[in-house]
Amino acid sequence: KAGVTQTPRYLIKTRGQQVTLSCSPISGHRSVSWYQQTPGQGLQFLFEYFSETQRNKGNFPGRFSGRQFSNSRSEMNVSTLELGDSALYLCASNYGPSYEQYFGPGTRLTVT
Amino acid sequence: GESVGLHLPTLSVQEGDNSIINCAYSNSASDYFIWYKQESGKGPQFIIDIRSNMDKRQGQRVTVLLNKTVKHLSLQIAATQPGDSAVYFCAEKVGQLTFGSGTQLTVLP
Repeated sequence: KAGVTQTPRYLIKTRGQQVTLSCSPISGHRSVSWYQQTPGQGLQFLFEYFSETQRNKGNFPGRFSGRQFSNSRSEMNVSTLELGDSALYLCASNYGPSYEQYFGPGTRLTVT
Repeated sequence: GESVGLHLPTLSVQEGDNSIINCAYSNSASDYFIWYKQESGKGPQFIIDIRSNMDKRQGQRVTVLLNKTVKHLSLQIAATQPGDSAVYFCAEKVGQLTFGSGTQLTVLP
């Protein structure tokens, strides 16, 4: 069974631009969560989607948004990028009722 | 507020020795705890989990201990191997997953 895939793996953007990251969950998984990982703040929860509905949201500004499609694939968008948005963005999926989350390799975003 | 913290940022052990990684949590409502391993360039990998109605759970070479009285969680790795070198995170789930800051485990030859 293929794991969680994230595209692109690396991305360089300029301050003020916007970016869209994509996540394909493990086949059969209906829940997708997004996390931001930085050396200073560690792993922080962004949001969780289940069956196209946002179930939980972390403490991030409105510039961070996401959505989930009917095939469970998910995207997250960051608008008006700031230097502090440079991070590894991780996506994780699980079946739903099960708590065990499987993480993808992440997208490394660098904002210059 | 709620937080999950790790006692030590780094831990070095000799190959073959046992490793113990500790974690403190503050949310007494947490009912589910997970340990993840993250190798360089990869996403976190599930190691083992434990629910609050348990004190101990064993997996392959790993054991998680939960002490709810002092809100403490530990991960024990038996016969540590070079492939165990990674950053280890504890996480608690109260609605969403909250991660600790991580411990870098280095296995010395």
